[in-house]
Amino acid sequence: DGGITQSPKYLFRKEGQNVTLSCEQNLNHDAMYWYRQDPGQGLRLIYYSQIVNDFQKGDIAEGYSVSREKKESFPLTVTSAQKNPTAFYLCASSIGPTSYGYTFGSGTRLTVV
Amino acid sequence: ILNVEQSPQSLHVQEGDSTNFTCSFPSSNFYALHWYRWETAKSPEALFVMTLNGDEKKKGRISATLNTKEGYSYLYIKGSQPEDSATYLCASDGGGGADGLTFGKGTHLIIQP
Repeated sequence: DGGITQSPKYLFRKEGQNVTLSCEQNLNHDAMYWYRQDPGQGLRLIYYSQIVNDFQKGDIAEGYSVSREKKESFPLTVTSAQKNPTAFYLCASSIGPTSYGYTFGSGTRLTVV
Repeated sequence: ILNVEQSPQSLHVQEGDSTNFTCSFPSSNFYALHWYRWETAKSPEALFVMTLNGDEKKKGRISATLNTKEGYSYLYIKGSQPEDSATYLCASDGGGGADGLTFGKGTHLIIQP
């Protein structure tokens, strides 16, 4: 079955360390997105990519980096510059323009210890 | 940044009763309005994508309406069942599909048997 796979489901990181969250899709979708959820807040856009080798900053990109070397993969790196990285991270993809709706992964919960 | 508001924040409904909740969004630069259902421990699932003023969409016992002139959408659930318990997210696309969605904080619906 086609879908989006995020790994790991839970991740613990020490302060000062970089960590990479994986997002892979086999839906042949062009567009991929990373969102962050904090308690009591809506999903907030971190980065998005409409096509391979191209990506754009979202509303809260500071302290994060991404790459899009393959259509199927859009990994997110949480760097040590991200001041408050503990959150739930969701990856999504869409065929193209968002009028088609998103398919979401199951998320990664990152905790800084 | 668009401001998408959902109300109420949470809702308890008796099994068998019908219910509805609201999403309001800026009516300027409107492109599309999305509704998602997010059950605990699962991925958000797309319910509807609506683009035209006066649009009404239906999926089983769930339906949604859209008013782009005044900037609101209603989601209706008829004859609520326990499996309807979830958080319902709405999201506005004000960028023509190019730069992601802006999500509301969600309405958390609990169906009581």
